[in-house]
Amino acid sequence: SQQGEEDPQALSIQEGENATMNCSYKTSINNLQWYRQNSGRGLVHLILIRSNEREKHSGRLRVTLDTSKKSSSLLITASRAADTASYFCATDAGNAGKSTFGDGTTLTVKP
Amino acid sequence: GAGVSQSPSNKVTEKGKDVELRCDPISGHTALYWYRQSLGQGLEFLIYFQGNSAPDKSGLPSDRFSAERTGGSVSTLTIQRTQQEDSAVYLCASSFGQGSPLHFGNGTRLTVT
Repeated sequence: SQQGEEDPQALSIQEGENATMNCSYKTSINNLQWYRQNSGRGLVHLILIRSNEREKHSGRLRVTLDTSKKSSSLLITASRAADTASYFCATDAGNAGKSTFGDGTTLTVKP
Repeated sequence: GAGVSQSPSNKVTEKGKDVELRCDPISGHTALYWYRQSLGQGLEFLIYFQGNSAPDKSGLPSDRFSAERTGGSVSTLTIQRTQQEDSAVYLCASSFGQGSPLHFGNGTRLTVT
């Protein structure tokens, strides 16, 4: 089974609204990353948060990490139609090296 | 500089045939990953190469799947005797190693008829 699970599976909002997506994981991690995937394309890295960090910002993106609850959230503020995409969280755990991805949240921003 | 390049972008093959998928990682990246993504699904880990270490093959779904990374650079994922359930997008990514962001190619869409 996947290490990370995002919810909701799908989210539809109006342009200008904020979008919040959540990610839960099962084992201890070194870091957690969020990626975006536009239809038919590869994934693009958005932001990385390390296990000793609680919050990180990048432009309109805000990521929080709660290691006690094994969860993270991605907030996109003032959404735009161009933010329409699937968003995935990925975790690096232990010395495995590999990143494990969840099933993603599909975000639709209506103009 | 150039990103991760995958070829072909699309491949249609008949059931039972072998296919080879190629990945050219970003120069200098020591780690290379293969993932598989079925329509509307998440990424399924297949195999991970890190430097000269033995690859982590724990995600390969069967012995029909194999991968090589030659000279620490280009990688080839080979699927022998393809089955219809192998139809998916195969994504390659590279990075500077553990804890570094992954850079993805646009994938190879494999269709087995």
